Amino acid sequence: EVQLVESGGGLVQPGRSMKLSCAASGFTFSNYGMAWVRQAPTKGLEWVATISYDGSSTYYRDSVKGRFTISRDNAKSTLYLQMNSLRSEDTATYYCTRGGAFDYWGQGVMVTVSS
Amino acid sequence: DIQMTQSPSSLPASLGDRVTITCRASQDIGNYLRWFQQKPGKSPRLMIYGATNLAAGVPSRFSGSRSGSDYSLTINSLESEDMAIYYCLQHNEYPLTFGSGTKLEIK
Repeated sequence: EVQLVESGGGLVQPGRSMKLSCAASGFTFSNYGMAWVRQAPTKGLEWVATISYDGSSTYYRDSVKGRFTISRDNAKSTLYLQMNSLRSEDTATYYCTRGGAFDYWGQGVMVTVSS
Repeated sequence: DIQMTQSPSSLPASLGDRVTITCRASQDIGNYLRWFQQKPGKSPRLMIYGATNLAAGVPSRFSGSRSGSDYSLTINSLESEDMAIYYCLQHNEYPLTFGSGTKLEIK
């Protein structure tokens, strides 16, 4: 059974950093690109970043470029999202998903940026 | 960036109805279009991929179609479990973009 389990969310002050993790199981992680998608409270879905199966290629939405870094550890079957210089508009539930296919999603982790 | 204009934003419907939700792409995206269902407090669920293909486990009353730059999700014989928000996603080019969502609710 495919499982994606996010962790690392919580309350953080503006300008600070936070790192999200997504532990994958039930499939060969190293064969798949992965992505982060977020959803602000009561708002729609918003793509954040994608990483290729081997980590050699990454893509970001403009609003997070230079602040967020997507990475992966294939040996640990884990996806990461390092978020720096956080802003109030980054407040959202962050989902990891199997990129390209978007066929499996984690349960989401809430990130609240507030002083 | 490719804009996905989704309509309607809200769709009141009765059980047993046939309903259609549409996304219009601002540029050519081929068939790189997916549809998702999201229920309150839940993660999105893939419903349609490649514009017209039913994802695994999705009931056959759901279908996807394309007419030029217009992509549609149709639900035949609406059931109560179908009440949710539906989103389209283009993944033809970065940045990937979602439609704004359609809230399907009981009339």
